[in-house]
Amino acid sequence: AQSVTQLGSHVSVSEGALVLLRCNYSSSVPPYLFWYVQYPNQGLQLLLKYTSAATLVKGINGFEAEFKKSETSFHLTKPSAHMSDAAEYFCAVSDEDGGYSTLTFGKGTMLLVSP
Amino acid sequence: DSGVTQTPKHLITATGQRVTLRCSPRSGDLSVYWYQQSLDQGLQFLIQYYNGEERAKGNILERFSAQQFPDLHSELNLSSLELGDSALYFCASSATFSTGGHGYTFGSGTRLTVV
Repeated sequence: AQSVTQLGSHVSVSEGALVLLRCNYSSSVPPYLFWYVQYPNQGLQLLLKYTSAATLVKGINGFEAEFKKSETSFHLTKPSAHMSDAAEYFCAVSDEDGGYSTLTFGKGTMLLVSP
Repeated sequence: DSGVTQTPKHLITATGQRVTLRCSPRSGDLSVYWYQQSLDQGLQFLIQYYNGEERAKGNILERFSAQQFPDLHSELNLSSLELGDSALYFCASSATFSTGGHGYTFGSGTRLTVV
């Protein structure tokens, strides 16, 4: 069974600082991995996805994530935080099992950005 | 606008009652997924329909049921409601029955409050 662990329910950074949100996955087959962002009172929006084409994946709003198979990790980073990045971030894993698959989400990490 | 439409946005009802949540998938998407988001459980997968047929079941209670109609919209029925059913209910859609590395497109959710 697939699972996702996000380390830290809350992460606080200053504006302009590096953002690092951690995600570790467990999957019995090579996975697809995703990061979603949820702004207050909104649905989840896809930030980026890993589909085995490249281990470093670039997404929207300056975010990127690196797939490391040896560490079973898919951490999300952004070089310089902006106030508008304050939101909740979810890592998700999908494995193709029997031709169908669903997304399993981590519990989320709330990113707080201070001026 | 993600293209996935959920109605109503907010719903307040009493314990023991029954409610119906509605979802229209993005144009061209055949799969509909329902998720429940609560503070203690995070995002929990409930059920998936593909082109009118149930494809996958997650942590869905027996009091809950869903269906997908010929026009591909879906309804989630929640009955004998309890206080603990208060949550945000998301619908998501995808083109096929698997994520295929594409992920889902989420609606903005229905916030259910049971009093």
